[in-house]
Amino acid sequence: AQSVAQPEDQVNVAEGNPLTVKCTYSVSGNPYLFWYVQYPNRGLQFLLKYITGDNLVKGSYGFEAEFNKSQTSFHLKKPSALVSDSALYFCAVIPPGGNNRLAFGKGIQVVVIP
Amino acid sequence: GAVVSQHPSWVICKSGTSVKIECRSLDFQATTMFWYRQFPKQSLMLMATSNEGSKATYEQGVEKDKFLINHASLTLSTLTVTSAHPEDSSFYICSARRLAGGHEQFFGPGTRLTVL
Repeated sequence: AQSVAQPEDQVNVAEGNPLTVKCTYSVSGNPYLFWYVQYPNRGLQFLLKYITGDNLVKGSYGFEAEFNKSQTSFHLKKPSALVSDSALYFCAVIPPGGNNRLAFGKGIQVVVIP
Repeated sequence: GAVVSQHPSWVICKSGTSVKIECRSLDFQATTMFWYRQFPKQSLMLMATSNEGSKATYEQGVEKDKFLINHASLTLSTLTVTSAHPEDSSFYICSARRLAGGHEQFFGPGTRLTVL
């Protein structure tokens, strides 16, 4: 069963506009949630995580994400997108008792239009 | 901090040969390293989990005799693709989890393997 759903294949946004990249999860209990970004032919860069505590998590490069338990969502947001934010974004989850094994969503391509 | 390197960054080999990929945590000690495979425009598929000093744990469907993993120290894990075939061509990415704790994994830059 898919643990992480990223419903869109691609998100297009104009430079300077707000960016939202959606993620929902389908594990029970209290999972650990992560966002990573991947530039072409590169490994993944860690953006932010939610483990416990405040539902709004701030991360690298001006990104933030909000954990919503009732909606089982962990959407990534940035108030003002930059062209350099164009990349592949992965949401990932470690389920409770998951032995620190990350389950990734399929990834969403973000294209920021100048 | 938390830098992970991989070597080589890309490799081309003939069918039937073996290729070794190194994954190093440069500025931290890693209890656990993970090996992933990524096909173009797809997500990462976990191949195996590697713990220092013990045998790797392979995911279902991954041939342990085909993909040999050695985790010799707290800063080095190697993946050897034995008797490589064209279908093994892929982007291989490793990640490491810190000995000091924390749940996030830090990823290497990846190795592009092309088998002719």
